[in-house]
Amino acid sequence: DVKVTQSSRYLVKRTGEKVFLECVQDMDHENMFWYRQDPGLGLRLIYFSYDVKMKEKGDIPEGYSVSREKKERFSLILESASTNQTSMYLCATQDRGDQPQHFGDGTRLSIL
Amino acid sequence: QKEVEQNSGPLSVPEGAIASLNCTYSDRVSQSFFWYRQYSGKSPELIMSIYSNGDKEDGRFTAQLNKASQYVSLLIRDSQPSDSATYLCAVNGRLANFGNEKLTFGTGTRLTIIP
Repeated sequence: DVKVTQSSRYLVKRTGEKVFLECVQDMDHENMFWYRQDPGLGLRLIYFSYDVKMKEKGDIPEGYSVSREKKERFSLILESASTNQTSMYLCATQDRGDQPQHFGDGTRLSIL
Repeated sequence: QKEVEQNSGPLSVPEGAIASLNCTYSDRVSQSFFWYRQYSGKSPELIMSIYSNGDKEDGRFTAQLNKASQYVSLLIRDSQPSDSATYLCAVNGRLANFGNEKLTFGTGTRLTIIP
C-alpha cells in the first residue's frame, strides 16, 4: 500500500509566522501535489512537482512556496501566514499521470 | 462550465438500497477516471478506478463510464450506514502549459444512508 505521511494532523500558528508542512512518501512516486480543501470549494491545487528540485504552480499558489530536495519529500511553506490560509491541507502522490493520486491524512491548519 | 461536475447533494438513500452518484466532465481527451470516498474530517480514499467504457465492479461498488456522453457514475449496492460520506469524482486531463496530466476533482456529492 502507498504510504503518504504528513507531519502534523493539527497545527495552530499566528499571523505573520512562516509555516512548514511536510509530506513524505514511501512508494518512489515521481509526482507529488499539495492541495487545500475548504467547504464548498472542493480540492484546490496549490503546487505540484514532477521531479526532484522541480516545482510548478497550481491554481492558487499565491502566498505559498514549495521545496522538493529529495524524491520522497515535498514541503509546503507559508511565507507569512494569514487568517485566510486557515484550511485543511492535503498532500498527494502519483506514480504517473494516468494513475490515481494517493493522499496523506491531511493537516488541519488554523492561523490565529 | 466546470471541468468536472457533480451534484452536491445531499443524497439520502435508505439502508439496503442502491445509491447512484453521477459525474460529468468537459475534457474529451480524458482517459482515466477515479472515485474517492471522503469521511468528514478525513482525507480522500481511492475506491474505484476506471479507464474503459462500460462497467467495472468491485464488491458492492460499480463504476460506469460513457466517454461519448462524457459521464462517469458510481453505484453502491446494498448501501450501509458506513457508506455515508462525500464521494469525489476525479478525471485526468492535460495541464495547459506542460503537457503533463493532472487530476481534476469535482466538489463531491454528500451521501447519507438512512438506517
